[in-house]
Amino acid sequence: GNSVTQMEGPVTLSEEAFLTINCTYTATGYPSLFWYVQYPGEGLQLLLKATKADDKGSNKGFEATYRKETTSFHLEKGSVQVSDSAVYFCALSEWQAGTALIFGKGTTLSVSS
Amino acid sequence: GAGVSQSPSNKVTEKGKDVELRCDPISGHTALYWYRQSLGQGLEFLIYFQGNSAPDKSGLPSDRFSAERTGGSVSTLTIQRTQQEDSAVYLCASSLGGLSTDTQYFGPGTRLTVL
Repeated sequence: GNSVTQMEGPVTLSEEAFLTINCTYTATGYPSLFWYVQYPGEGLQLLLKATKADDKGSNKGFEATYRKETTSFHLEKGSVQVSDSAVYFCALSEWQAGTALIFGKGTTLSVSS
Repeated sequence: GAGVSQSPSNKVTEKGKDVELRCDPISGHTALYWYRQSLGQGLEFLIYFQGNSAPDKSGLPSDRFSAERTGGSVSTLTIQRTQQEDSAVYLCASSLGGLSTDTQYFGPGTRLTVL
């Protein structure tokens, strides 16, 4: 079945450091890929998405490129801020398998000043 | 506009009792999803509604779990004879049309604690 694997956390960085959170997926067809973020005490919210191969999603300085050849959707940010501290979830949705989101286990990011 | 709302925000119950959790999706969204989030299992899909019908119930963990949606809007998730392993945060999400490309918007969740 479909699945998402993302790097284990926690990830601890200093402010202005470069961030990469790896995400790879297994899917039978052509999924849409998402990054959701959960800030402390808040609900899940969409950070960015890409719906076809080679698309790049971007938002708030974060980027991720849909790489079909490596089945990956790695999240990157050039310079993190303390306010980026949160849990990040990679997810996929594919109509052939129903359209429910399948999530990775989440990566906790902690940024210190 | 208004987002997805859920009630109650917290629910504490005793083992063996029934509970009902409510979700109000974004107006006009035809698709509605229930998930649960627990430390051990992460984020798990439970059930999907398109309009008032549920074409995908594959994530319901047992027959103690059921859900309905009325008027293409509000949904209720019912857990009968609650067990301690049912303790989790129950999340509701809605999307415009239920396509795999659609963004799902999540509510704040209901934290269920079974004593």
